[in-house]
Amino acid sequence: GQQVMQIPQYQHVQEGEDFTTYCNSSTTLSNIQWYKQRPGGHPVFLIQLVKSGEVKKQKRLTFQFGEAKKNSSLHITATQTTDVGTYFCAGSGTYKYIFGTGTRLKVLA
Amino acid sequence: DGGITQSPKYLFRKEGQNVTLSCEQNLNHDAMYWYRQDPGQGLRLIYYSQIVNDFQKGDIAEGYSVSREKKESFPLTVTSAQKNPTAFYLCASSPPGQQVLNTEAFFGQGTRLTVV
Repeated sequence: GQQVMQIPQYQHVQEGEDFTTYCNSSTTLSNIQWYKQRPGGHPVFLIQLVKSGEVKKQKRLTFQFGEAKKNSSLHITATQTTDVGTYFCAGSGTYKYIFGTGTRLKVLA
Repeated sequence: DGGITQSPKYLFRKEGQNVTLSCEQNLNHDAMYWYRQDPGQGLRLIYYSQIVNDFQKGDIAEGYSVSREKKESFPLTVTSAQKNPTAFYLCASSPPGQQVLNTEAFFGQGTRLTVV
């Protein structure tokens, strides 16, 4: 079946450093969504990408959808302690969301 | 306020007992989902439902059962057949019942189930 993998699984960074997580699908995706889950919380939607090669920005966050629509990335510039959490990508399967394995980000002050 | 509510937040169960987790939404969403999350792990799909009175197995349905008798409710029963039930359970909903999902999923606060 369709699988969505993310790397790295964990990332520790010093506050102010940049961070990137990568998402790879075994099949072509119709779209890709990104979610953030704070420690002890639930996933919250961040953004959706639909077009091949699409790039979207939200303040310090930059999201990219690959040309082949099989991979995506999330880049955070100058991390802050508020960025702590697990970041998930999700692709659309038939009538359901296929979530990636997640990248847990820890920011050291 | 519109939203999706899971209860209880914490649940303790004795081994061998069935337990039912509640999920209610007042967002008028057609689709609802149950995910399981283990410590440091991703979200694994247990069951999903696109419409009332219909539901499908996800990747890890064994030991679980669901019902969808009302649009706003999608309860999950963890049966004694589930070998490792201790986990964080997340319910989600989304508007459409279409094949390609192009809207976000809204999650409840989750239920942390512990088997003692």
